[in-house]
Amino acid sequence: DAKTTQPPSMDCAEGRAANLPCNHSTISGNEYVYWYRQIHSQGPQYIIHGLKNNETNEMASLIITEDRKSSTLILPHATLRDTAVYYCIVTNGSSNTGKLIFGQGTTLQVKP
Amino acid sequence: KAGVTQTPRYLIKTRGQQVTLSCSPISGHRSVSWYQQTPGQGLQFLFEYFSETQRNKGNFPGRFSGRQFSNSRSEMNVSTLELGDSALYLCASSLKGQAGELFFGEGSRLTVL
Repeated sequence: DAKTTQPPSMDCAEGRAANLPCNHSTISGNEYVYWYRQIHSQGPQYIIHGLKNNETNEMASLIITEDRKSSTLILPHATLRDTAVYYCIVTNGSSNTGKLIFGQGTTLQVKP
Repeated sequence: KAGVTQTPRYLIKTRGQQVTLSCSPISGHRSVSWYQQTPGQGLQFLFEYFSETQRNKGNFPGRFSGRQFSNSRSEMNVSTLELGDSALYLCASSLKGQAGELFFGEGSRLTVL
């Protein structure tokens, strides 16, 4: 699986958009970009994933660059409950059953 | 719909003992994966089971083992515990096991003294 690079920490004001970047310059054509987050002392939670196109769900939006070498997770209106470690993962899910390679992630601190 | 349930949530053992952790996946999910999380190494994949068969394995010593039952419930066992085995052990389930949308439990926090 391709490696990812994320900033170790970011701050965001409550109510503002949080934009979390991720570099995955060695991503392969059949690899997806997944985002998970882990709130303190809880198990990781799936947020969103994408292959080429931008994706949006009730939690967040995922913007993938045209060359697929980087992506941005957007939390449109961050709340204090969004304070967590956010992990960007690239994986060919079908060949790596059950296995996600987690990096160190980005610790997002949402401040009032 | 009930989520992934892990038991026990907390436990304390001493070096040399063994421990068994249990995981009940979401109803209908046939794949169960196990992860170890420590402050130094982060989240690391242990193994994955699907229909009672281990399909994928991480780089952990043989002291770490697991199994899955016909009802998809899974257990993992760590024998001859070492201090470094102190960690949060997380179980995740998914419908087919493809490494994408995994549903994680709250974890079992093991402390080895």
